[in-house]
Amino acid sequence: AQTVTQSQPEMSVQEAETVTLSCTYDTSESDYYLFWYKQPPSRQMILVIRQEAYKQQNATENRFSVNFQKAAKSFSLKISDSQLGDAAMYFCAYEESGYALNFGKGTSLLVTP
Amino acid sequence: GAVVSQHPSRVICKSGTSVKIECRSLDFQATTMFWYRQFPKKSLMLMATSNEGSKATYEQGVEKDKFLINHASLTLSTLTVTSAHPEDSSFYICSARDPRTSGRDNEQFFGPGTRLTVL
Repeated sequence: AQTVTQSQPEMSVQEAETVTLSCTYDTSESDYYLFWYKQPPSRQMILVIRQEAYKQQNATENRFSVNFQKAAKSFSLKISDSQLGDAAMYFCAYEESGYALNFGKGTSLLVTP
Repeated sequence: GAVVSQHPSRVICKSGTSVKIECRSLDFQATTMFWYRQFPKKSLMLMATSNEGSKATYEQGVEKDKFLINHASLTLSTLTVTSAHPEDSSFYICSARDPRTSGRDNEQFFGPGTRLTVL
């Protein structure tokens, strides 16, 4: 079974600064998808960014970017110019096409003024 | 993006009663929906995969007779917690895959969740 590991239960960043959230995963598959989801206090899951394993180029969505290292099975999320609204739980997730998401334990991000 | 709704958003029930939670895809037809359970400050754990017109596939450790899943149409899946007990209190989230994006964007769309409290 695939496992997703987030080793940082909590992280803190100052407003306007940059923070990186770590994620590693274990799989024997070559084709899969990786995601970062944000869960604010409302608990609605919000897709932040996705990466297809066969694409070498790191995905970017505005202030959010990933560092995808396929050989190392690492998928970190970088948040630039952090904003107060970025405070939330962040979940890294793995998916093989057509199957359910396998989530990490999450990282709680605190943004300080 | 596509929209998935859940009803009710929160429910409080007495121990021993059954509770039904609905998950609807509002602007697309979902052949597959997923049910997750989330305890406070914990991650989402997959309970079952719901396939339209067939029996749900349950994850190991999830009681099929306790958590009944019915996917009767392409836009509706229901989760019924039977004979609920306080330990069933949790946050239940459904998601649906939009087949129009499958293989291209491959995104799952999440409902807003249902908070179940069993007294």
